[in-house]
Amino acid sequence: AQSVSQHNHHVILSEAASLELGCNYSYGGTVNLFWYVQYPGQHLQLLLKYFSGDPLVKGIKGFEAEFIKSKFSFNLRKPSVQWSDTAEYFCAVSLRDNYGQNFVFGPGTRLSVLP
Amino acid sequence: SQTIHQWPATLVQPVGSPLSLECTVEGTSNPNLYWYRQAAGRGLQLLFYSVGIGQISSEVPQNLSASRPQDRQFILSSKKLLLSDSGFYLCAWSVWGTAEGNTIYFGEGSWLTVV
Repeated sequence: AQSVSQHNHHVILSEAASLELGCNYSYGGTVNLFWYVQYPGQHLQLLLKYFSGDPLVKGIKGFEAEFIKSKFSFNLRKPSVQWSDTAEYFCAVSLRDNYGQNFVFGPGTRLSVLP
Repeated sequence: SQTIHQWPATLVQPVGSPLSLECTVEGTSNPNLYWYRQAAGRGLQLLFYSVGIGQISSEVPQNLSASRPQDRQFILSSKKLLLSDSGFYLCAWSVWGTAEGNTIYFGEGSWLTVV
């Protein structure tokens, strides 16, 4: 079965520190890749996505992610985090299966940014 | 633009009582519809997804069922709730092969507490 793993359960950073959240997936076919963010008390929102082309994709709020096909990875980065980035981050893979379109999510990484 | 509505937002139900969570999508037709459960540290667990009216794929055997009586309506049900059914339930939609780019969009979620 397809799966998505995220390297860290909880990351704690100070403001202005750099961020990298790891994500790996297990699926050998064509995939679409996503990062979603859930701010405290809010619903899940799309941060960025990769479908094809340039493997370095830029999203909202200064986030970017790099797709490395050989490593089955899609790591999320931000050069300088802010307190408002405190949230839970989910990596996801979209693929076509026998039934239709499936989305598989990682377990999430909770990011706490200290002011 | 497309919107997704999910209700009720919170629900407290006794063990053994029935459940009905409803979700509707507006502004699109023939969407794929999903029910997820979000548990702390475990990410999003796909419960059901549907590619059309009356077509439901169940991902995890459980005490829950889903129905799609209309194109843009998706209902999560249980005849008799268990304590273990407590959690945060998310409805979501996607449309494969469109300008929306095969992306999944979430409702605001429903908190279910079984007592």
